Amino acid sequence: ELKVEQNPLFLSMQEGKNYTIYCNYSTTSDRLYWYRQDPGKSLESLFVLLSNGAVKQEGRLMASLDTKARLSTLHITAAVHDLSATYFCAAFSFTGANSKLTFGKGITLSVRP
Amino acid sequence: KAGVTQTPRYLIKTRGQQVTLSCSPISGHRSVSWYQQTPGQGLQFLFEYFSETQRNKGNFPGRFSGRQFSNSRSEMNVSTLELGDSALYLCASTRGGTDTEAFFGQGTRLTVV
Repeated sequence: ELKVEQNPLFLSMQEGKNYTIYCNYSTTSDRLYWYRQDPGKSLESLFVLLSNGAVKQEGRLMASLDTKARLSTLHITAAVHDLSATYFCAAFSFTGANSKLTFGKGITLSVRP
Repeated sequence: KAGVTQTPRYLIKTRGQQVTLSCSPISGHRSVSWYQQTPGQGLQFLFEYFSETQRNKGNFPGRFSGRQFSNSRSEMNVSTLELGDSALYLCASTRGGTDTEAFFGQGTRLTVV
């Protein structure tokens, strides 16, 4: 069964600094998604990574996928307060009738001045 | 285009009651998945429906059930509510087939007292 791990569960970031957060998954998957959730809100799709070596960038966020290492990274450049939220990664497993998205527990980012 | 619509947004129910939640997917999307989100367990997969058929099911008791209609709208039902069922219930729609990007609704916040 596919398992997705995100560490740490909470990260305090200083404004203006760069950070990288990681998402590991346990079995073969070539589809990795990143979502953002603000408190009390739903999940907003950030990135869709569909192949090994895929890299996507949006503003201060850049996501990449290494399917051989079963690892996705989310790099934050010059953190700002608006990036404070919980970030989930999810991997998709194609297993016939059990195909589904499996989510990590999420990493809550807090940006301090 | 209209996003995923969940109703109601908030519900308060008493232990032992039952509840029905509704989800209207994005037009053209044929797959609807349901998730339960709690602070302790994170995002847990409940079930997925595609073309009116349950295609996948998570590890939840039989009190949790769902269905999908011919217009792709889906409902989930929880019978004999327990305090532990208090959670944010999220619905996600995907086009289906090989397109697995999931778009989430705003969720229904269920409180069981």
